[in-house]
Amino acid sequence: DADVTQTPRNRITKTGKRIMLECSQTKGHDRMYWYRQDPGLGLRLIYYSFDVKDINKGEISDGYSVSRQAQAKFSLSLESAIPNQTALYFCATGRGRTNTGELFFGEGSRLTVL
Amino acid sequence: AQKITQTQPGMFVQEKEAVTLDCTYDTSDPSYGLFWYKQPSSGEMIFLIYQGSYDQQNATEGRYSLNFQKARKSANLVISASQLGDSAMYFCAMREGPNLGNQFYFGTGTSLTVIP
Repeated sequence: DADVTQTPRNRITKTGKRIMLECSQTKGHDRMYWYRQDPGLGLRLIYYSFDVKDINKGEISDGYSVSRQAQAKFSLSLESAIPNQTALYFCATGRGRTNTGELFFGEGSRLTVL
Repeated sequence: AQKITQTQPGMFVQEKEAVTLDCTYDTSDPSYGLFWYKQPSSGEMIFLIYQGSYDQQNATEGRYSLNFQKARKSANLVISASQLGDSAMYFCAMREGPNLGNQFYFGTGTSLTVIP
């Protein structure tokens, strides 16, 4: 089983619908992140959380909200989806006390907003 | 200014040859980390290699090495003896500041195609 699990893996929805992407991890990491990937733009940070009580906006947080329900769970919500939110979304985790601090990614959630 | 710049949208390499993927970065923080990730067509992001700003030697991981030129602020990835399975998108990333708390910045990626 994957250490960082995202659900759903694929979702097609309509403009104006509420969507939640969920992420759970078994790595025991304190830090969790949501990124979106668009062709030619790389990965851009939406929100990040360093622990359950700590939530921070990334560079493109408008139109999104998050919830850190537990150390292992971090969900991303689109309250009213719009077509330009069509993208590949990644959840990632990281550990604060580590020599390298690399991020570990889930397999991605592909969202299409019609 | 872009934190991470990858100027090669696409690269081709012959199987068994070596290839260098370019990455330059911008930071005024003396403490930072540089990373390379591989994204195959299946979509997952795979961590390849890490270089710390204070590391004296270039990082190596199997066929991957990171050519770290601090004065030029470059962190190029070298893949030796390319294999067909190396065909993928490659992203350079930087963690600015010490590892306890900081954002990661990603480049726009380089698409590598290995030709048989």
